[in-house]
Amino acid sequence: EIVLTQSPGTLSLSPGERVTLSCRASQSINNNFLAWYQHKPGQPPRLLIYGASKRATDIPDRFSGSGSGTDFTLTVSRLEPEDFAVYYCQHYDTLPMTFGPGTKIEIK
Amino acid sequence: ELRESGPGLVKPSDTLSLTCSVSGVSLTYTTYYWGWIRQSPGKGFEWIGSIHYTGSAYYNPSLQRRFRLSVDTSKNQFSLRVTSVNVTDTAVYFCVRQWGLVDEYFQQWGQGTLVTVSS
Repeated sequence: EIVLTQSPGTLSLSPGERVTLSCRASQSINNNFLAWYQHKPGQPPRLLIYGASKRATDIPDRFSGSGSGTDFTLTVSRLEPEDFAVYYCQHYDTLPMTFGPGTKIEIK
Repeated sequence: ELRESGPGLVKPSDTLSLTCSVSGVSLTYTTYYWGWIRQSPGKGFEWIGSIHYTGSAYYNPSLQRRFRLSVDTSKNQFSLRVTSVNVTDTAVYFCVRQWGLVDEYFQQWGQGTLVTVSS
């Protein structure tokens, strides 16, 4: 089973700031089969990125994903008030698909 | 839209049945798989299994064989059955729409339903 580690656990930031979140895999993820989700309390998780770098439908271009192998990142170029949430990565290279523990972005 | 339904409270050793009602898209769309994911404080998000409208299903090999998925295309619903539940099955259960068998990311999620296992 591929274990995903996300860092940091929590970030305290202000609107307008740029942030880069890390997702590291315990073994190489083939074909860039990695996705990112945003999760806010009381709402379903929202797919942001798939294939490591492809934005999902209706996702603003301030969100971007990159990486390969074992190291992946999600960047938000300029935080908007609605971006404060928990972000999870998920791989779909092998079974079982697994998720990282999440990084919470909170308002400073 | 995906909407989960089922009991909020289940006793240990009982069977849990959850249903996901799908609207706005046909369950029989060839590409899609339909799945269940749960989130618990101790284990985070855990993929349980996914099923195609044809009934072909696959499961998280890390889980015991207590989980079973099924589909009802006439009702545009799919379901999860968990036998012999225990306290570790306490979680929020989400039904999801998965893009495909190869690209197994989750395009759409239901709101989630909290299931508590307690006597």
